[in-house]
Amino acid sequence: DTGVSQDPRHKITKRGQNVTFRCDPISEHNRLYWYRQTLGQGPEFLTYFQNEAQLEKSRLLSDRFSAERPKGSFSTLEIQRTEQGDSAMYLCASSLLPTGVQTYEQYFGPGTRLTVT
Amino acid sequence: AQKVTQAQTEISVVEKEDVTLDCVYETRDTTYYLFWYKQPPSGELVFLIRRNSFDEQNEISGRYSWNFQKSTSSFNFTITASQVVDSAVYFCALSVGGGNKLTFGTGTQLKVEL
Repeated sequence: DTGVSQDPRHKITKRGQNVTFRCDPISEHNRLYWYRQTLGQGPEFLTYFQNEAQLEKSRLLSDRFSAERPKGSFSTLEIQRTEQGDSAMYLCASSLLPTGVQTYEQYFGPGTRLTVT
Repeated sequence: AQKVTQAQTEISVVEKEDVTLDCVYETRDTTYYLFWYKQPPSGELVFLIRRNSFDEQNEISGRYSWNFQKSTSSFNFTITASQVVDSAVYFCALSVGGGNKLTFGTGTQLKVEL
């Protein structure tokens, strides 16, 4: 049973550089979510996709952040001109599509830990 | 706006003690969903339970039980006969609407010692 995978697991970059993270969801899941988690806090929502459509973006997602899910399968999250404040764990999750009033839980990947020096 | 409060930052218990983790939520939506996740030291969030707002039935799964009370906007989590392997950060989360983005609390660090 393949869960959500993320690559890389760790990334150290210098301020001002661009970074890109990849997420591979559970294969039958239509929904894909990105969250950010800083030390001692719960994850915070960034954006989500339903198939290839990006349906919502948080105000946390500044213009330097962009996410794609080109074929409705894997997704990428790019951060341009990284800042020290971008240092965090970036989590990807996927779920089945809600049906009627029924929603489904999100399954999380192991995360990508970003350190900006 | 939605909000989840986990007032207990850290709890320490001795193995075999029962422990309850509190979760209080705020939302104006009448249809919403509540979740508990476990984040062990390895870091990966593990789904534990989902509860719909229209289903107030409490649930028991092995040593875990959940008490959902709409009257007090609480969704508390009890571990019976705690074990060292239960040591982790536990998050309560809330979602509303079709997007189902999760709003998390700040988590409760549970330490179970021998």
